[in-house]
Amino acid sequence: DADVTQTPRNRITKTGKRIMLECSQTKGHDRMYWYRQDPGLGLRLIYYSFDVKDINKGEISDGYSVSRQAQAKFSLSLESAIPNQTALYFCATSNGRPNQPQHFGDGTRLSIL
Amino acid sequence: AQSVTQLDSHVSVSEGTPVLLRCNYSSSYSPSLFWYVQHPNKGLQLLLKYTSAATLVKGINGFEAEFKKSETSFHLTKPSAHMSDAAEYFCVVSGRAGGTSYGKLTFGQGTILTVHP
Repeated sequence: DADVTQTPRNRITKTGKRIMLECSQTKGHDRMYWYRQDPGLGLRLIYYSFDVKDINKGEISDGYSVSRQAQAKFSLSLESAIPNQTALYFCATSNGRPNQPQHFGDGTRLSIL
Repeated sequence: AQSVTQLDSHVSVSEGTPVLLRCNYSSSYSPSLFWYVQHPNKGLQLLLKYTSAATLVKGINGFEAEFKKSETSFHLTKPSAHMSDAAEYFCVVSGRAGGTSYGKLTFGQGTILTVHP
């Protein structure tokens, strides 16, 4: 089983719909992150959480919200989806120790029509 | 502030020939640097990391990278490409403890590696 699991893996929806992407992890990490990937832009940070009570905006948080339901769960919501939010979304975790890498899920491909 | 520039958006090599993927970084602190690989329809897998212990870093699948502070570079190399190396590669910088970017990653734009038979 994957250490970082994202659901759904693929989603097609319409403009204006509310969408939730979910992420769960079995690594026991305190830190969780949401990124979006667009061709030619690499990954950009949307939100991050260093523990259950700590939520922080990343560089592109407008139009998104998050919820850290438990240490192992971190969900990303699009309250009213728009076409330019079509992208590949990744969840990641880390243990918070200095210089340690982040561990990524397999991604959610989201298309908004 | 920190930033990463991958100098080539696409690199094409023949199987068995060397691979060079170039990365320059900018950081206010002495950074941690990573290379990740992304195969189609998969997440990102860590190839290697630099955290100041040694300037030449060896990673998985025969890849290595050399940290050159004077050139602010962290280029990824492999002596002999394999077909399975075809993927997208990301150079990533992480803020060090004590900095405002601590714990956050900044990604390069990615380099797509194509390997021809």
